[in-house]
Amino acid sequence: EAGVTQFPSHSVIEKGQTVTLRCDPISGHDNLYWYRRVMGKEIKFLLHFVKESKQDESGMPNNRFLAERTGGTYSTLKVQPAELEDSGVYFCASSPQGNEKLFFGSGTQLSVL
Amino acid sequence: RKEVEQDPGPFNVPEGATVAFNCTYSNSASQSFFWYRQDCRKEPKLLMSVYSSGNEDGRFTAQLNRASQYISLLIRDSKLSDSATYLCVINYGQNFVFGPGTRLSVLP
Repeated sequence: EAGVTQFPSHSVIEKGQTVTLRCDPISGHDNLYWYRRVMGKEIKFLLHFVKESKQDESGMPNNRFLAERTGGTYSTLKVQPAELEDSGVYFCASSPQGNEKLFFGSGTQLSVL
Repeated sequence: RKEVEQDPGPFNVPEGATVAFNCTYSNSASQSFFWYRQDCRKEPKLLMSVYSSGNEDGRFTAQLNRASQYISLLIRDSKLSDSATYLCVINYGQNFVFGPGTRLSVLP
């Protein structure tokens, strides 16, 4: 069974540019989460989808971040325009309905220069 | 006060040693508790859930103290491969909150 996959694994962009991160959860997992780890800090929650609906987006830093999960399958996280403080590792995780175990993707390392 | 707190370490221990980590949480409504392990430049992976009665998985033992709002992880007979960052994770409903992690280095 394929795990959670994220693309790209690394992205280097300049301040002001746009970047879109993609996450493919494990097939059949209703829950999809985005997290971010900024260097030296703990992993922080960004948002949670249940199928295609945003269950909780309280962790989104500001309106430069937009997440979608059309059709309840893969999800995208777009940052527009990117700022220096957006640099970090963006993790996606999924879990089946009613299951508390999170399965993580390998993350996207975003560097904003 | 942070929601989940851990001693960042590093804990440097020799092979075969026993080491224990604690984690405290501030929200008394916390529902479930986990220890995740994260290797350098890798994603977190579930090590074990933590149950009220305490639970053991091989060399790993987890304990929960709801009254004092802390959980612990005990590693016996440390192996070199146990070197990693150990993350305390608390679940409030459907939201998982991560601690900053405790770094463990097991030395030969």
